[in-house]
Amino acid sequence: AQKITQTQPGMFVQEKEAVTLDCTYDTSDQSYGLFWYKQPSSGEMIFLIYQGSYDEQNATEGRYSLNFQKARKSANLVISASQLGDSAMYFCAMSPISSGSARQLTFGSGTQLTVLP
Amino acid sequence: SAVISQKPSRDICQRGTSLTIQCQVDSQVTMMFWYRQQPGQSLTLIATANQGSEATYESGFVIDKFPISRPNLTFSTLTVSNMSPEDSSIYLCSVEFPEGRWNEQFFGPGTRLTVL
Repeated sequence: AQKITQTQPGMFVQEKEAVTLDCTYDTSDQSYGLFWYKQPSSGEMIFLIYQGSYDEQNATEGRYSLNFQKARKSANLVISASQLGDSAMYFCAMSPISSGSARQLTFGSGTQLTVLP
Repeated sequence: SAVISQKPSRDICQRGTSLTIQCQVDSQVTMMFWYRQQPGQSLTLIATANQGSEATYESGFVIDKFPISRPNLTFSTLTVSNMSPEDSSIYLCSVEFPEGRWNEQFFGPGTRLTVL
């Protein structure tokens, strides 16, 4: 079984500042993937970034980076230079990676980020 | 990436009726997943749909309430049957690509359902 924990129900950040959203996980799988999604008020799930458990480098996608600490089982999302459009709910999720098995996602409870002007 | 569409985008339904939600992908995928997001909550997996076989349901979800079809590699439907106000949620489909594309898990835009 997999479990994702996001301990920050809400976060505030000043525009142009950086912010870190916390995510810890628990799994018995040897290989797994970690995802971050953004959900604006419209309800769509927007994929932001992915980290494989076997990746030695931390993932980066534009202003998004993932601070992956495997020994601590953490996969924190860092957003640099926050913009007003970054205000949304952010979900951390994980899936198993194994041949022949479905890779369904397990989600955390989410963090509501508000960017202040 | 892939383009995933869902129909309808939103609906308001009466108690006791059923609604079928469609999910269409512009490329062939292996698995299709259906998730429910109740108001103010996170996403919960309802079932996994594999083409040519019965869907696999998660604990707490049953086929009589949420029948699923997967007639081909690009399409799936989820029916919410005998609806009650507790079924008011966003329903989202997501897709899984063949092995090797581990980093790709995309969602449709969602169907926002309100049951009166």
